Amino acid sequence: AQSVTQLDSQVPVFEEAPVELRCNYSSSVSVYLFWYVQYPNQGLQLLLKYLSGSTLVKGINGFEAEFNKSQTSFHLRKPSVHISDTAEYFCAVKKIKAAGNKLTFGGGTRVLVKP
Amino acid sequence: NAGVTQTPKFQVLKTGQSMTLQCAQDMNHEYMSWYRQDPGMGLRLIHYSVGAGITDQGEVPNGYNVSRSTTEDFPLRLLSAAPSQTSVYFCASSSGLAGINEQFFGPGTRLTVL
Repeated sequence: AQSVTQLDSQVPVFEEAPVELRCNYSSSVSVYLFWYVQYPNQGLQLLLKYLSGSTLVKGINGFEAEFNKSQTSFHLRKPSVHISDTAEYFCAVKKIKAAGNKLTFGGGTRVLVKP
Repeated sequence: NAGVTQTPKFQVLKTGQSMTLQCAQDMNHEYMSWYRQDPGMGLRLIHYSVGAGITDQGEVPNGYNVSRSTTEDFPLRLLSAAPSQTSVYFCASSSGLAGINEQFFGPGTRLTVL
């Protein structure tokens, strides 16, 4: 079975400062990697995904993530955050050969952007 | 396109009551899933379906039933609610042979079991 660990449960950050959200995973098989964002009282939206190819993946709203196979990590970064980035962020993995769309999620990281 | 819709938005049940959470999608997606979200635990998969008439268990299936009689609908049934089922429930759908396409999530149902 695979598991996903998000090392920080909460990250306070000032507006226009950079932010990094850490995600580590363990799996005995190859996986696809995802970051989702959940704004208050809403469902989840896909920020970006890594399927193959370049290890640096760019997503929506200025976010990017880097896949590091040797460290089994997929950290999310944004060079300058806005108040509107206040949300909860979830890292998720999916086994490449699994049927359906079964995602395994991390526990989430709450980002609070302060003015 | 309405996307993924869920009803109700909020529900309070007493222990032992039954209810059905509704989920519908209008994108003709093959894959649909139910997750529950609990603080600090992220989302955990309850049941999923790869097409009409085909369902399977996820990580936390106990206490829940599902069926998929049409492509559009994927209801989740609680047969005898327990306080441990207090949670926020999300339905999701996606297309693609390997399910690597984006999953679209509904707005969620917040369930409280007293």
